[in-house]
Amino acid sequence: DQQVKQNSPSLSVQEGRISILNCDYTNSMFDYFLWYKKYPAEGPTFLISISSIKDKNEDGRFTVFLNKSAKHLSLHIVPSQPGDSAVYFCAASGNNQGGKLIFGQGTELSVKP
Amino acid sequence: DAGVIQSPRHEVTEMGQEVTLRCKPISGHDYLFWYRQTMMRGLELLIYFNNNVPIDDSGMPEDRFSAKMPNASFSTLKIQPSEPRDSAVYFCASSLGSSGGYPSQETQYFGPGTRLLVL
Repeated sequence: DQQVKQNSPSLSVQEGRISILNCDYTNSMFDYFLWYKKYPAEGPTFLISISSIKDKNEDGRFTVFLNKSAKHLSLHIVPSQPGDSAVYFCAASGNNQGGKLIFGQGTELSVKP
Repeated sequence: DAGVIQSPRHEVTEMGQEVTLRCKPISGHDYLFWYRQTMMRGLELLIYFNNNVPIDDSGMPEDRFSAKMPNASFSTLKIQPSEPRDSAVYFCASSLGSSGGYPSQETQYFGPGTRLLVL
């Protein structure tokens, strides 16, 4: 049972445009959400996070939006750059999860020049 | 700091053989995680340790998989006997203990992974 789902395995965007990556979750106990970015042959690296007390968190070109009622979060990248081409994983956790993160399947973003 | 170190980076073995994956976490980190990445399921948590003690191994697929952390600077994930369906990329990650929030709010630092192919 996949508690965190990224339904789009891939996304292609033109350089300079907005990239929107989506993530849905099923467990209403989740209250902390993260995005990780992964380049080929490397491990994932932390990108941005959001707590459930907020509905938006921004860091430079990256903004994460959280819609708790819809159990949905999204990552916006504006403007997209070719160096953003990578696999993006969303992850979720809750106070009752201890140290555990639940990851989605990942979305491969390709930003074309 | 060198980051999380994993070895080997690539492993090709035949079905039925024993496979041992190794991990050195970042010094001072309290938590160590083993993940498996597949196309279908993404990143799956297999097991995690806190201060060298296994806390949650509910993600370990079956008894063929075992993990140990004999000290704060070393962990192994062993598959015996290996099967073709175990082919995947295995990641080790480490993080600090909680600094006010709860442990999973701490950033996890991943190693480069071990790509395992079982023929």
